Amino acid sequence: DSQMTQSPSSLSASVGDRVTITCRASQDISDFLAWYQQKPGKVPKLLIYAASTLPSGVPSRFSGSGSGTDFTLTISSLQPEDVATYYCQNYDYAPWTFGQGTKVEIK
Amino acid sequence: EVQLVESGGGLVQPGGSLRLSCAASGFTFRSYWMSWVRQAPGKGLEWVANIRHDGSEKYYVDSVKGRFTISRDNAKNSLYLQMNSLTAEDTAVYYCGKLGYDFLTGHSHWYFDLWGRGTLVTVSS
Repeated sequence: DSQMTQSPSSLSASVGDRVTITCRASQDISDFLAWYQQKPGKVPKLLIYAASTLPSGVPSRFSGSGSGTDFTLTISSLQPEDVATYYCQNYDYAPWTFGQGTKVEIK
Repeated sequence: EVQLVESGGGLVQPGGSLRLSCAASGFTFRSYWMSWVRQAPGKGLEWVANIRHDGSEKYYVDSVKGRFTISRDNAKNSLYLQMNSLTAEDTAVYYCGKLGYDFLTGHSHWYFDLWGRGTLVTVSS
């Protein structure tokens, strides 16, 4: 199984700050990595797939990078509506595991 | 409107059974792999099962193998999850998910590009 480890588990940043979340896979998953945003009390939403591709409608302040085992989600300028828990997901190997989540709050 | 709507959740005793349903609309349901993902209260996301667009392939997380069965009815645009021998560890919100598809290559991908609102399953005596 490919284990997904996110860091940090939580962070607090100011509006306008650049925020970076990392995700490490226990084995090479190429670029088969997705990121999701789950706002409090809401349904998860696809934020990025193929490690760096944004679906239509996702704000350009979100970006993803990485391949192999190390990946990064970056919010270039944190906004109040970005308060959420962010999950990475491996979709190369079954079981298609998620990271444990990173909770992002506003300072 | 493109959407997924789950139903069938509720309170069930340990060892009991429950059948979840997911009604799809706004897209060509029969063309896509579909999935169930769950989230225990206050916890993270856990993939549960996938089913090929024609129902010919199914995959399960180890913890539900032999207890849960994913199925679909393309004529009814519906996805199902039959859950048997339920335990407290199965308590979660269960989400129906549509899996991604690359129109350029014609390949399906196992990320979830559409989620339902979820249905809560509580296993307790």
